[in-house]
Amino acid sequence: DGGITQSPKYLFRKEGQNVTLSCEQNLNHDAMYWYRQDPGQGLRLIYYSQIVNDFQKGDIAEGYSVSREKKESFPLTVTSAQKNPTAFYLCASSISGIMNTEAFFGQGTRLTVV
Amino acid sequence: KNQVEQSPQSLIILEGKNCTLQCNYTVSPFSNLRWYKQDTGRGPVSLTIMTFSENTKSNGRYTATLDADTKQSSLHITASQLSDSASYICVVSAQGYSTLTFGKGTMLLVSP
Repeated sequence: DGGITQSPKYLFRKEGQNVTLSCEQNLNHDAMYWYRQDPGQGLRLIYYSQIVNDFQKGDIAEGYSVSREKKESFPLTVTSAQKNPTAFYLCASSISGIMNTEAFFGQGTRLTVV
Repeated sequence: KNQVEQSPQSLIILEGKNCTLQCNYTVSPFSNLRWYKQDTGRGPVSLTIMTFSENTKSNGRYTATLDADTKQSSLHITASQLSDSASYICVVSAQGYSTLTFGKGTMLLVSP
């Protein structure tokens, strides 16, 4: 099936640890995005990538890092520098980076710091 | 600053009733407006996407309207079902930019 897959669905992290969230798509989309969702707030953009080997910071990039070595993969690392990482993380993709095209979302990863 | 405001914040309706959700935006220059449905703990799923020239768009029991002059949109749900219980998110994109502006969503609960 075509789609966008995030893993794991639930992730627990100890304070001071880095963790990596996986996002894979087989839609042949050029653009991929990471969003963070907190209760009562709209989705906020962390990083986005319009093409392989290129990515840009979003509104809340501090404490996060990404890579885009392959078209189908856009992993997000939550570093120990992120002060409040507990949140619901959503990955999305679209055909192109010009956002007049449909964006498809994964099912999300819920990260909890313990 | 680009903003999307949704109302009401939450809504409870009886099964079988209709409801309308509102979205006001200040995104400029406007490219398109989308409505997404997000079930609890899941990713958003697209309901409709509307460009400047489209006033109305339907997807089954969901009908979205757009007034680009007043920068307002609404999502009308007809004959609500229990499965309609979810958060409905209005999202607006600006021309030429690679990012979207999200509303905070309206939480809809359909009660039996």
